[in-house]
Amino acid sequence: DTEVTQTPKHLVMGMTNKKSLKCEQHMGHRAMYWYKQKAKKPPELMFVYSYEKLSINESVPSRFSPECPNSSLLNLHLHALQPEDSALYLCASSQVVGTYYEQYFGPGTRLTVT
Amino acid sequence: ELKVEQNPLFLSMQEGKNYTIYCNYSTTSDRLYWYRQDPGKSLESLFVLLSNGAVKQEGRLMASLDTKARLSTLHITAAVHDLSATYFCAVDMLPNAGNNRKLIWGLGTSLAVNP
Repeated sequence: DTEVTQTPKHLVMGMTNKKSLKCEQHMGHRAMYWYKQKAKKPPELMFVYSYEKLSINESVPSRFSPECPNSSLLNLHLHALQPEDSALYLCASSQVVGTYYEQYFGPGTRLTVT
Repeated sequence: ELKVEQNPLFLSMQEGKNYTIYCNYSTTSDRLYWYRQDPGKSLESLFVLLSNGAVKQEGRLMASLDTKARLSTLHITAAVHDLSATYFCAVDMLPNAGNNRKLIWGLGTSLAVNP
């Protein structure tokens, strides 16, 4: 099973709302990632978790708060977002140990901030 | 700082023709990845190239890696409409980046295959 799942598929939220994005994988991967992707642009790395610990935060505003409850789950908590935060949010996972580093991407959550 | 350049950024092809997308990167790396993205969809892994001289083929796509030239190519043979998508290359940082290693992405090549 090489599947990464994400919920919800679409999310519309106001600037005062609090919402969460969820990601799950059952491949035994120990690295999980959040990316933000704007239309016609490459994905931008936001956060990396390695063995459930945050290892990279790419200077993401605090209105985005990641959480890794266990090795299979990754959440992204959203609060007081801005319209410019509207984008496709992609979760990915990969093996950490060894030389094989291919990232498997989930289907994404299309976020619209109104 | 590792930089990744793809060219062309836009490519309009006729069905049946051959073409090559290039991916250059600025510092030493021995791992390069090609991904495909259909409009509004997620990223699909196409190839993982892990050593100098690596060549991989899947259907009408063939990818190669020359680490000395810091260049990867994605060759399309006899293009068909189904290949229309955006293709990204991504380069892994050096192994000594440790837990801070990450992928550096090219801007993507938007490919349109026309009848």
